[in-house]
Amino acid sequence: GQQVQQSPASLVLQEGENAELQCNFSTSLNSMQWFYQRPGGSLVSLFYNPSGTKHSGRLTSTTVIKERRSSLHISSSQTTDSGTYLCAPSEGADRLTFGKGTQLIIQP
Amino acid sequence: GGIITQTPKFLIGQEGQKLTLKCQQNFNHDTMYWYRQDSGKGLRLIYYSITENDLQKGDLSEGYDASREKKSSFSLTVTSAQKNEMAVFLCASSIGGNYAEQFFGPGTRLTVL
Repeated sequence: GQQVQQSPASLVLQEGENAELQCNFSTSLNSMQWFYQRPGGSLVSLFYNPSGTKHSGRLTSTTVIKERRSSLHISSSQTTDSGTYLCAPSEGADRLTFGKGTQLIIQP
Repeated sequence: GGIITQTPKFLIGQEGQKLTLKCQQNFNHDTMYWYRQDSGKGLRLIYYSITENDLQKGDLSEGYDASREKKSSFSLTVTSAQKNEMAVFLCASSIGGNYAEQFFGPGTRLTVL
């Protein structure tokens, strides 16, 4: 089955710095989804990005299928960006495999 | 747009008890999912359903039953709660077919005494 590795496990930055989060997966890809989760909160879908690059405000997601990786870039980070970021590739259309997440802490 | 609601928000049970969690969605999505989230272990799929009355086992189905009696609702039963168990159960839905984007509910936090 699909194996998912997210790095780094945790990241501490100062407000205003950029964050780069990585997700590596082991098998072929049907889709890639990135989520944001606050402590005790639910999952908010950030991107559904099977391939290529997508932008949403300060966030950019890039998926390179041949290299079996996806990245999430956060520019000009804010304290409200703090939380856990999860990637979830899917081999088929019916199930996602989740990474363990990157915990991001943005200090003022 | 639409929303997914989960009830209850918090569930406290006793060891050996049968506990039921409920999920409703108004997206009119075909596929619904139940995940379990444990600290440090990420999300694991328990059951999913691609249409009314369909059930598919995930990676963690042992110890659980599920029911999809209506398109809009999907329930999960913990058949025998384990002592000191603590986890968050998340329900999700997607359009289905080849489009896999999933949307999540707020979760039910389970504590077993």
